[in-house]
Amino acid sequence: DSGVTQTPKHLITATGQRVTLRCSPRSGDLSVYWYQQSLDQGLQFLIQYYNGEERAKGNILERFSAQQFPDLHSELNLSSLELGDSALYFCASSVGILAGGNIQYFGAGTRLSVL
Amino acid sequence: SQQGEEDPQALSIQEGENATMNCSYKTSINNLQWYRQNSGRGLVHLILIRSNEREKHSGRLRVTLDTSKKSSSLLITASRAADTASYFCAHNTNAGKSTFGDGTTLTVKP
Repeated sequence: DSGVTQTPKHLITATGQRVTLRCSPRSGDLSVYWYQQSLDQGLQFLIQYYNGEERAKGNILERFSAQQFPDLHSELNLSSLELGDSALYFCASSVGILAGGNIQYFGAGTRLSVL
Repeated sequence: SQQGEEDPQALSIQEGENATMNCSYKTSINNLQWYRQNSGRGLVHLILIRSNEREKHSGRLRVTLDTSKKSSSLLITASRAADTASYFCAHNTNAGKSTFGDGTTLTVKP
């Protein structure tokens, strides 16, 4: 158990809908990262937050947004869903920033199926 | 595909043999990390090597880093069936972005 909790584990929805994925980082970790893993795109870094502030941005679509709350949990919002958004979404956390050599601890993921 | 590349894409060996997988990247890095993923599950951190290091060991794992060639390798010695998984490298820049390779799928036959 990595200590990172993601909910829900599975999500089935329809095209055009909006969903929210939730992540609780390990106790004491200030950084939260979101990744998308699909068969054709591999593991894509989406966005990172550090202590409530956006720290780094990757290949995150404009239809997607995220935030980190004062209690350090994070939510990833996906809107106007398309079939191609079906993927595993992972959250990871670390004590500090990656450039500091910190290790990311990954949650078990949320499997999103858009029908 | 991602900026990081790994080869081979798939590797199948017998228990007891060594497994070597390679990772290449294109940018300057602060550090490089290797992760393992069992099918459909979260990634588990294996080892981190900083840009000023050339080799690190952890148990049966040995990682090398050649910044002049922008490449790294992961060696698993005396492999076990339980090592069957996908292995990813992730290179991290000072800007904070983490880029994962496409992974190597390792199958260790008992």
